[in-house]
Amino acid sequence: AQRVTQPEKLLSVFKGAPVELKCNYSYSGSPELFWYVQYSRQRLQLLLRHISRESIKGFTADLNKGETSFHLKKPFAQEEDSAMYYCALRTLDTGRRALTFGSGTRLQVQP
Amino acid sequence: DGGITQSPKYLFRKEGQNVTLSCEQNLNHDAMYWYRQDPGQGLRLIYYSQIVNDFQKGDIAEGYSVSREKKESFPLTVTSAQKNPTAFYLCASSIGRSRGPGGEAFFGQGTRLTVV
Repeated sequence: AQRVTQPEKLLSVFKGAPVELKCNYSYSGSPELFWYVQYSRQRLQLLLRHISRESIKGFTADLNKGETSFHLKKPFAQEEDSAMYYCALRTLDTGRRALTFGSGTRLQVQP
Repeated sequence: DGGITQSPKYLFRKEGQNVTLSCEQNLNHDAMYWYRQDPGQGLRLIYYSQIVNDFQKGDIAEGYSVSREKKESFPLTVTSAQKNPTAFYLCASSIGRSRGPGGEAFFGQGTRLTVV
């Protein structure tokens, strides 16, 4: 079975400070990792996925298979980054193909 | 306007009643999902369907039922057997492949169900 852990419920930083939202996973097969974001009063939406290896809104995330982690990072936080962030996993091999989510981290960026 | 639509936005149910939440998509996606979102618990998978006329239980299927008679529609029924149904329910869809990278999951706006 797959599991995703986000250890921080709340992360509060000041504008311009670096941000790192932690995500660890457990899965014995090949995973596909994602970060989803939910801004206030908006739908949950994809922020980035490890397969794309791209930076979205200044955020990056690297899959570290040795540490089974997929931490989300941004060098300089902006107020508009305040939102709920969810790390998610989907299997690349056979088995359950639905996303498994972590419990989420609320990011508050203060002015 | 393409997307995934959930209705209603708010739903009130009396204890002991069944209630059905609607989810429709016009993205031509094969796969559809139902999640329950509770504060501090993230999203938990209730049911998912990879193809029409087939669906699988997720992690918290007890007290819920689904059907997938059409590609576009994946309604969720919350039965009276669900002990704690008050929650925010999210429906999603994706391309759906049996192996390899899957497509992005698109989410609806959600339905907030309250038992009164």
